[in-house]
Amino acid sequence: EDKVVQSPLSLVVHEGDTVTLNCSYEVTNFRSLLWYKQEKKAPTFLFMLTSSGIEKKSGRLSSILDKKELSSILNITATQTGDSAIYLCAADGGATNKLIFGTGTLLAVQP
Amino acid sequence: NAGVTQTPKFQVLKTGQSMTLQCAQDMNHEYMSWYRQDPGMGLRLIHYSVGAGITDQGEVPNGYNVSRSTTEDFPLRLLSAAPSQTSVYFCASSPDRPLTPGANVLTFGAGSRLTVL
Repeated sequence: EDKVVQSPLSLVVHEGDTVTLNCSYEVTNFRSLLWYKQEKKAPTFLFMLTSSGIEKKSGRLSSILDKKELSSILNITATQTGDSAIYLCAADGGATNKLIFGTGTLLAVQP
Repeated sequence: NAGVTQTPKFQVLKTGQSMTLQCAQDMNHEYMSWYRQDPGMGLRLIHYSVGAGITDQGEVPNGYNVSRSTTEDFPLRLLSAAPSQTSVYFCASSPDRPLTPGANVLTFGAGSRLTVL
């Protein structure tokens, strides 16, 4: 059965800290891995990773995929209170039922 | 630029009642889907559609019905609501053109919070 596992489940840090969120996957016919940020409402897209070892970066956020280890990490440097959210990882298995989501990591950034 | 629109945002039902969650997108996306989100369970796929007239079951389809008569609309019907269906429901869509970069990136609606008493 396809699955995506995220760790840690929750994390509390102070502003300015750097955090690393983990995602591992077991998905048949893996095509890509996606990261989403969910604040109060709908998840919003952050990154899509298809190639191993190539870092995607957007401001203070970056992510990389390791196909050998079947995993990905999301890094956030110099965290701000606005980074507080649930971060979701999803794997695309290439089947028509699309993305398989992990349970998410709840990040709380304290001032 | 509306994107994915869900209604209602909140709903309270009694056990046994039926209702329809509406979802509409204006991006001409072929793929549409419904997820439910529960604490500790992540997002779980209920039903999906790869185009008008085509629907299929996801991971947790029991108790739900869908139809796709147009590209734009994908309503989710609860036939006889149960307390276990208390959840936040998200509709999501994507272009789903094979080999197109970003074809599988889902755009989500704002969610519908359903409580079944």
